[in-house]
Amino acid sequence: EDQVTQSPEALRLQEGESSSLNCSYTVSGLRGLFWYRQDPGKGPEFLFTLYSAGEEKEKERLKATLTKKESFLHITAPKPEDSATYLCAVQDQGGKLIFGQGTELSVKP
Amino acid sequence: DAGITQSPRHKVTETGTPVTLRCHQTENHRYMYWYRQDPGHGLRLIHYSYGVKDTDKGEVSDGYSVSRSKTEDFLLTLESATSSQTSVYFCAISESNRGNTEAFFGQGTRLTVV
Repeated sequence: EDQVTQSPEALRLQEGESSSLNCSYTVSGLRGLFWYRQDPGKGPEFLFTLYSAGEEKEKERLKATLTKKESFLHITAPKPEDSATYLCAVQDQGGKLIFGQGTELSVKP
Repeated sequence: DAGITQSPRHKVTETGTPVTLRCHQTENHRYMYWYRQDPGHGLRLIHYSYGVKDTDKGEVSDGYSVSRSKTEDFLLTLESATSSQTSVYFCAISESNRGNTEAFFGQGTRLTVV
């Protein structure tokens, strides 16, 4: 059965304090691993897609990496506007898209 | 923004009544999904569709049914609403199962069952 586990559940950082979020997964044939950002009261906003182990993608202060069992979302020198819930999801061979519970990130000035 | 619209955006209904939520897309994407989001549970997949009249169950499908009679519309029906179905419901669309595209989300429907 496909499963996605994110850690930590919540993370508090000071502005400029770099850190990483973890996404561990099991899936019967990975088609893609996705990272999303979600702000309160809104739908998830797409950040990255990773397809194979060793792949990395970057966008501003965010960098996503992928291994055969987990993905990391690295946040470098975060700003208060990076505060949000970050969601990880995996898509299997049949198109099913399963999400983890998310990491709630708070960045204080 | 991807052309995906959910309706209604807010609804209050009574226990035992049927409720239908609509997801409409203008992107001609093959895959459509219904999720519910509750505190502490993240996004949980209810049902998804991989083509017209082709649907499959997700993690929390009990008490829900879906229909997709045309590419652009995916309907979620609560046969007899219960208080445990009070939640925020999100629809998503995705182009293929080849993993080369992301899923876009609607703005959500807040459903309250009293």
